Amino acid sequence: GAVVSQHPSWVICKSGTSVKIECRSLDFQATTMFWYRQFPKQSLMLMATSNEGSKATYEQGVEKDKFLINHASLTLSTLTVTSAHPEDSSFYICSARDEWGRRSSYEQYFGPGTRLTVT
Amino acid sequence: GQNIDQPTEMTATEGAIVQINCTYQTSGFNGLFWYQQHAGEAPTFLSYNVLDGLEEKGRFSSFLSRSKGYSYLLLKELQMKDSASYLCAVLDSNYQLIWGAGTKLIIKP
Repeated sequence: GAVVSQHPSWVICKSGTSVKIECRSLDFQATTMFWYRQFPKQSLMLMATSNEGSKATYEQGVEKDKFLINHASLTLSTLTVTSAHPEDSSFYICSARDEWGRRSSYEQYFGPGTRLTVT
Repeated sequence: GQNIDQPTEMTATEGAIVQINCTYQTSGFNGLFWYQQHAGEAPTFLSYNVLDGLEEKGRFSSFLSRSKGYSYLLLKELQMKDSASYLCAVLDSNYQLIWGAGTKLIIKP
């Protein structure tokens, strides 16, 4: 159990276009989802915390108008990279908490990640 | 500020044992996680410690000392597939995960 999917797994887009990434918890409900970015050979960087039915909380330095997050249901959160530029090329990973699960309620289950390349 | 330290890189031999250390200074503590991340993939959960002591799970064990702000991940009978980055993360007083930079483990035959 506790499976998180992400779509697409990789995407190539042109500079100036927008890209939407979906994150779904397949077999549990996730009040809270997280969006991370990871550049090559670097650690995870938390971008924002997404709460179902409310506005996302962005980390310092992350532009909320550029990285739009919507958490419309207990199983789906989306990240839209607007007006993407080459420097936005990165590995984007979402995670979700199974807050009613049997194990640690604060364990984060990760999606497989989305590799974005902006040309 | 909040800080988690772990070695950047370690090398070990197939079949051997390796210990990856993690020290932390955070605002509050609600548990410590270890995750494994293979290159190009998302992290996968390995262990969670909230009480002092050793938790064993197959070839992997995780130890915690809250008074020392210290944890380690012990990997036994190393296999080539264990080559990966190992991430230490602490749940702080706000139940936010604070991530270490990760330790890249290289296994040699």
